[in-house]
Amino acid sequence: ETGVTQTPRHLVMGMTNKKSLKCEQHLGHNAMYWYKQSAKKPLELMFVYNFKEQTENNSVPSRFSPECPNSSHLFLHLHTLQPEDSALYLCASSQDYRDRISPLHFGNGTRLTVT
Amino acid sequence: AQSVAQPEDQVNVAEGNPLTVKCTYSVSGNPYLFWYVQYPNRGLQFLLKYITGDNLVKGSYGFEAEFNKSQTSFHLKKPSALVSDSALYFCAVRAINSGGSNYKLTFGKGTLLTVNP
Repeated sequence: ETGVTQTPRHLVMGMTNKKSLKCEQHLGHNAMYWYKQSAKKPLELMFVYNFKEQTENNSVPSRFSPECPNSSHLFLHLHTLQPEDSALYLCASSQDYRDRISPLHFGNGTRLTVT
Repeated sequence: AQSVAQPEDQVNVAEGNPLTVKCTYSVSGNPYLFWYVQYPNRGLQFLLKYITGDNLVKGSYGFEAEFNKSQTSFHLKKPSALVSDSALYFCAVRAINSGGSNYKLTFGKGTLLTVNP
């Protein structure tokens, strides 16, 4: 049990669909992250929220839209995706984004396939 | 810009033999260094970290890593590999940047470790 729960575990969607990924953490952390993991590439940081405020947006296309209603929940809203967006999307949390020492805690990811 | 290199996409070792997974980094100033492991169909799990002090850091599941400042390396090691150690291993670096605003954690591409029975 990781303390960070992601749903759904698998998602297949067409390019015209709209879907959302959900992440919930039970660790009392204040920072939450979305990462994209593609084969043989470094993890790509997409978004960071610290105390519900977005602190990082690494030039992510607007077809990905994050939402952080509170420190325990994080969403990634998806619309008009492209096949190259197929990947494993990982959510993570940490005590505070500015705390350089504390490790990240990851969920098990959502495997997204765009057809 | 900071970066992490894991020069081997794949490492194969026999069970019971020692294993090493290599990592070198580039960062402005001194680093905080981390190793994570990813088992199939799972997220990343924290293994160990180097913050300061002793260059040899011990972590979970019998793993250790040695920080070498002159070679900018942080290789992961284990004296005796188990089949259950087979997984994807990621090295990551953060800059010690007091007063700055660079908090980013940069990951390597990962190294697939296969331990053969």
